[in-house]
Amino acid sequence: DGGITQSPKYLFRKEGQNVTLSCEQNLNHDAMYWYRQDPGQGLRLIYYSQIVNDFQKGDIAEGYSVSREKKESFPLTVTSAQKNPTAFYLCASSLMTSVGTDTQYFGPGTRLTVL
Amino acid sequence: GIQVEQSPPDLILQEGANSTLRCNFSDSVNNLQWFHQNPWGQLINLFYIPSGTKQNGRLSATTVATERYSLLYISSSQTTDSGVYFCAGADYKLSFGAGTTVTVRA
Repeated sequence: DGGITQSPKYLFRKEGQNVTLSCEQNLNHDAMYWYRQDPGQGLRLIYYSQIVNDFQKGDIAEGYSVSREKKESFPLTVTSAQKNPTAFYLCASSLMTSVGTDTQYFGPGTRLTVL
Repeated sequence: GIQVEQSPPDLILQEGANSTLRCNFSDSVNNLQWFHQNPWGQLINLFYIPSGTKQNGRLSATTVATERYSLLYISSSQTTDSGVYFCAGADYKLSFGAGTTVTVRA
């Protein structure tokens, strides 16, 4: 069954802790993305990767880190430096075209709550 | 990056009504997508439509790239159409609008 999986679905973190959110895809997509969504708002790009072992900062990268060691995996670490990490985190993937990105497909998301 | 504005911010419909959602973007895009976010947060792809017109059942979309806007049409709305509709435009990365919250009443 092809698609994008994210885990865990819900995550609770104490202040000062780092946590890592998992994102895996079996669509053979080149590019992967992490977005953050706050209540009542649209999505904002945190990081993206167009190829293995390479990634770029998005609009709100401060306090987050990523790695892309395998094509199918793009984990996101929310560090203690992120001041307000409580949010809904969505991972996406897409093929790359000669002019940019093709259709992006999204995983089911992880809801992170800082206690 | 691209700036995306969606209107209206909220829309309340009676079941069976038709509606139009609009998306304006600030610059040329090579990717324009419409999504529906369900109550559980899942983003469902509706259309990939950088230009032209597409239809899928009761939904259709039109993008006029030269005038930098896209329209999403919902016909004969049903309660299952409720949720938040997002458009997103890209040069090299997707930028999302703030969304239109649609409520369809039975």
